[in-house]
Amino acid sequence: GAVVSQHPSWVICKSGTSVKIECRSLDFQATTMFWYRQFPKQSLMLMATSNEGSKATYEQGVEKDKFLINHASLTLSTLTVTSAHPEDSSFYICSASQSYEQYFGPGTRLTVT
Amino acid sequence: TQLLEQSPQFLSIQEGENLTVYCNSSSVFSSLQWYRQEPGEGPVLLVTVVTGGEVKKLKRLTFQFGDARKDSSLHITAAQPGDTGLYLCAGLSDTGRRALTFGSGTRLQVQP
Repeated sequence: GAVVSQHPSWVICKSGTSVKIECRSLDFQATTMFWYRQFPKQSLMLMATSNEGSKATYEQGVEKDKFLINHASLTLSTLTVTSAHPEDSSFYICSASQSYEQYFGPGTRLTVT
Repeated sequence: TQLLEQSPQFLSIQEGENLTVYCNSSSVFSSLQWYRQEPGEGPVLLVTVVTGGEVKKLKRLTFQFGDARKDSSLHITAAQPGDTGLYLCAGLSDTGRRALTFGSGTRLQVQP
């Protein structure tokens, strides 16, 4: 149980375009999902907390207009990177919360050229 | 801001050796979780400890939560090459905030 999927697993896009990443909890309902980014050889950095049916809560320094988060249902949250730039290239990971435990998706490798 | 300091940052050992990874904070956590992450994949939950002083064993892995719920340790006995990976501790605040605070990670390499 407690499986979280992400799609796509990797994406390459051109600078200036937008990319949408999906996060789904497959076998449980998640009222809260989280989005992280991870640079090589570093730990996870929380970007935002996504609550079903309400606006996401962004961490300090994360641009809410650039990283659009939508939590449309109890099993789906999406992260859209708008007007992507090469510095947005990173490993993006979502997690879904079930009580006090979090289960992570497999991650999405974004490369902006 | 709650911080979790993890040590060591990097550990390279021979197969069969024992090792301990530490996770320390000045803050109290309601629970603490340990994850293992392999390159290009998401973290996989190994264990959650909730009670101060709690000890949990998962085969050759032993996890301990400090009495004051501010620190934790992960001990691996007779490490194997399959244990290689990035180990992350993450704490859940007792303030009600649902986001995890992650440690900086320990990269373990077990040589055959």
